[in-house]
Amino acid sequence: NAGVTQTPKFQVLKTGQSMTLQCAQDMNHEYMSWYRQDPGMGLRLIHYSVGAGITDQGEVPNGYNVSRSTTEDFPLRLLSAAPSQTSVYFCASSYSRLGGNTIYFGEGSWLTVV
Amino acid sequence: KNEVEQSPQNLTAQEGEFITINCSYSVGISALHWLQQHPGGGIVSLFMLSSGKKKHGRLIATINIQEKHSSLHITASHPRDSAVYICAVAETGNQFYFGTGTSLTVIP
Repeated sequence: NAGVTQTPKFQVLKTGQSMTLQCAQDMNHEYMSWYRQDPGMGLRLIHYSVGAGITDQGEVPNGYNVSRSTTEDFPLRLLSAAPSQTSVYFCASSYSRLGGNTIYFGEGSWLTVV
Repeated sequence: KNEVEQSPQNLTAQEGEFITINCSYSVGISALHWLQQHPGGGIVSLFMLSSGKKKHGRLIATINIQEKHSSLHITASHPRDSAVYICAVAETGNQFYFGTGTSLTVIP
């Protein structure tokens, strides 16, 4: 049982480049989400999904795109990277969106945009 | 607006000390989570609670729903407890909100 697997762990991008952060979970969780973590701020929700084929925007969705074609995978795409997207990104999953379920996080992806 | 406030932001303790980290929130919740993040590492869930108190080893978490307040206690702290502790609340029927974390350093 691998839990939540997130790749890559580190990435440096040039402004304007695009890339995809991969996230996969093997726990058959309905709810998956992407957060960014910046110094002095709490985790902020970028996008989330409550099941295959269903995605929605969170607090800071601009510049990011997601899709959920399977229950297991929830990739995050940066369409045209900007220095403001330099951050640590976490993928998370839980059984459902309701709060009474344990949240599982990936190991994080450190992204630098130069 | 900050739905979740944690205190203190930073905490340094001597090994063996009793530690308390506080979390206050402003929304109606279905559950509160305490998370631990080690430097350069991922985030793991320590506790999920909606009432009362939970204990796991040297860690104790309490919640007072009426006062919208939770505390995380560490008894007999150890250097390996050094980490960032994050309080997160699941707003009723809605998303999670996260505190900015408490950075704990335990000195041998």
